[in-house]
Amino acid sequence: DARVTQTPRHKVTEMGQEVTMRCQPILGHNTVFWYRQTMMQGLELLAYFRNRAPLDDSGMPKDRFSAEMPDATLATLKIQPSEPRDSAVYFCASGLDPDNFESYTFGSGTRLTVV
Amino acid sequence: DQQVKQNSPSLSVQEGRISILNCDYTNSMFDYFLWYKKYPAEGPTFLISISSIKDKNEDGRFTVFLNKSAKHLSLHIVPSQPGDSAVYFCAASANFGGAGRRALTFGSGTRLQVQP
Repeated sequence: DARVTQTPRHKVTEMGQEVTMRCQPILGHNTVFWYRQTMMQGLELLAYFRNRAPLDDSGMPKDRFSAEMPDATLATLKIQPSEPRDSAVYFCASGLDPDNFESYTFGSGTRLTVV
Repeated sequence: DQQVKQNSPSLSVQEGRISILNCDYTNSMFDYFLWYKKYPAEGPTFLISISSIKDKNEDGRFTVFLNKSAKHLSLHIVPSQPGDSAVYFCAASANFGGAGRRALTFGSGTRLQVQP
């Protein structure tokens, strides 16, 4: 059963520390998304890759967030320095291609708490 | 500015009755709409979708209705079951032609509780 794997599942860190979240997309999926879920905003798009190239990262605070795909099997989301307002659940999703919405599969998320 | 709005944070219905979840959008460029279901500690999973060329799509107990003039869509679940208790997200996508398709824009979710 193909699935998107996110690590770690939970992360507690102190304000100012660097945080790296990882995502392994489903093999064969060429589209990867990072979303953040907060109580107030629901699911917000942070970044969106197709064939490892960033297509849209307009939702991401550029001064502290960065998203990369070093290879087709790994996507990373980094926060440096982290702040308490970054506390949220971060979801990675992958899809066969951008137009194939029904193929989008979400991971179980990384719950980040910044104290 | 939220382009996809789910104004009811929660909904409670009795088992066997109809659940109606609502979603409004503001961007007239949206041409494809989806509903996702999310259980605690899991990622959202795809439930049902509808293209803007249709006004209704049905899949078993789930039906999505689209009213383009009102920029409104709704998800009907009939009959509701306790296993349907989850958070439901509405999502929409816009196609900007040569500029490509944007990623999904999600609403803030509605928590559905189906009482046995």
